[in-house]
Amino acid sequence: ETGVTQSPTHLIKTRGQQVTLRCSSQSGHNTVSWYQQALGQGPQFIFQYYREEENGRGNFPPRFSGLQFPNYSSELNVNALELDDSALYLCASSPRQELNTEAFFGQGTRLTVV
Amino acid sequence: SQQGEEDPQALSIQEGENATMNCSYKTSINNLQWYRQNSGRGLVHLILIRSNEREKHSGRLRVTLDTSKKSSSLLITASRAADTASYFCATARSSNTGKLIFGQGTTLQVKP
Repeated sequence: ETGVTQSPTHLIKTRGQQVTLRCSSQSGHNTVSWYQQALGQGPQFIFQYYREEENGRGNFPPRFSGLQFPNYSSELNVNALELDDSALYLCASSPRQELNTEAFFGQGTRLTVV
Repeated sequence: SQQGEEDPQALSIQEGENATMNCSYKTSINNLQWYRQNSGRGLVHLILIRSNEREKHSGRLRVTLDTSKKSSSLLITASRAADTASYFCATARSSNTGKLIFGQGTTLQVKP
């Protein structure tokens, strides 16, 4: 167990809907990153939040947005869902934004868009 | 886009044998990390090697890094059935804010 919790574990949504995924970071970690993992692929970086501000973004459209709260928990919001958004969404926390640290991953949220 | 290419994509061995997985990447890095994933669940960090290190050990794991060839290998010695999982390398680039770039992974099956 990494101490990073994600909710919900599974979710089914209809194309065009909006979804919010949640992540509680490990205690003492102020940096949260989100990744999308399609079936059979490696995770792809969506964005990172550090001290409540976005701190780097991958190649994802603006309908992917996020928030980080004062307690360092985070949300990932996806608007106008598309079928290709079906994936495992992983949240990772780390103690600081420095590069020389490992990331602690949650168990993920499996999103299915129908 | 993926930074790394992993080789092989799938590996099947008998319990007790050694498993070697390779990872190549394209850009300069600050460090390279290996992660393990069981059945599409969360990733578990295995080992981190910095760009100025050439080899690192952790229990039955041995990681090498060759920055001139932009490649790394993960060796699991004396494999166990419980090692069955997908293994991913991930790179952290020098100029980045902490983004990890993952390879496509190697699926390892260890037969009892």
